[in-house]
Amino acid sequence: EAGVTQFPSHSVIEKGQTVTLRCDPISGHDNLYWYRRVMGKEIKFLLHFVKESKQDESGMPNNRFLAERTGGTYSTLKVQPAELEDSGVYFCASSQEGGPWYEQFFGPGTRLTVL
Amino acid sequence: AQTVTQSQPEMSVQEAETVTLSCTYDTSESDYYLFWYKQPPSRQMILVIRQEAYKQQNATENRFSVNFQKAAKSFSLKISDSQLGDAAMYFCAYRSAMNRDDKIIFGKGTRLHILP
Repeated sequence: EAGVTQFPSHSVIEKGQTVTLRCDPISGHDNLYWYRRVMGKEIKFLLHFVKESKQDESGMPNNRFLAERTGGTYSTLKVQPAELEDSGVYFCASSQEGGPWYEQFFGPGTRLTVL
Repeated sequence: AQTVTQSQPEMSVQEAETVTLSCTYDTSESDYYLFWYKQPPSRQMILVIRQEAYKQQNATENRFSVNFQKAAKSFSLKISDSQLGDAAMYFCAYRSAMNRDDKIIFGKGTRLHILP
């Protein structure tokens, strides 16, 4: 069974540009999560989808970040315009059901560098 | 708000020895889950071990075990018979048992080096 995949693995962009990150969850997983780790800090929650609906977006830092999950399959996270402080590793995770007794499976992450 | 603290940014251990990674957390909730995740270099993060707060017995998975002290809000990970493949970043994490709060809260991580 394929795990969670993320694309691209690395992205280097200039400040002010737009970047779109993609996450493909494990097939059949309705729950999809985005997290971010800024250098030297904790991995922080961004948002949670259940199918195509946003269940919790309390961790989204500001309105430059837009997450979508059309059709309830893969998800995209767009940063527009990117700022220097957006640099970090963006992780996606998926789980079959919500709740702490269901494991969240993580992707390898996308390393974003904003110059 | 819940927080997770890992006070050891890096640790080293000789192969075949035992090492303990520390973690403390803060919460006002009574029901929650605690986790240790492992992220090897350039690979994805995987779950190592899980502890339900309502269980007094410490969780064990092969060479990995935890020391869960609920009153002290401490959750350390012990790795016995360390192997080269154990080299990784280890994250301590918290997850509420409340259905509406499904996010994982992570510590900053401890990078573990295994010395041959």
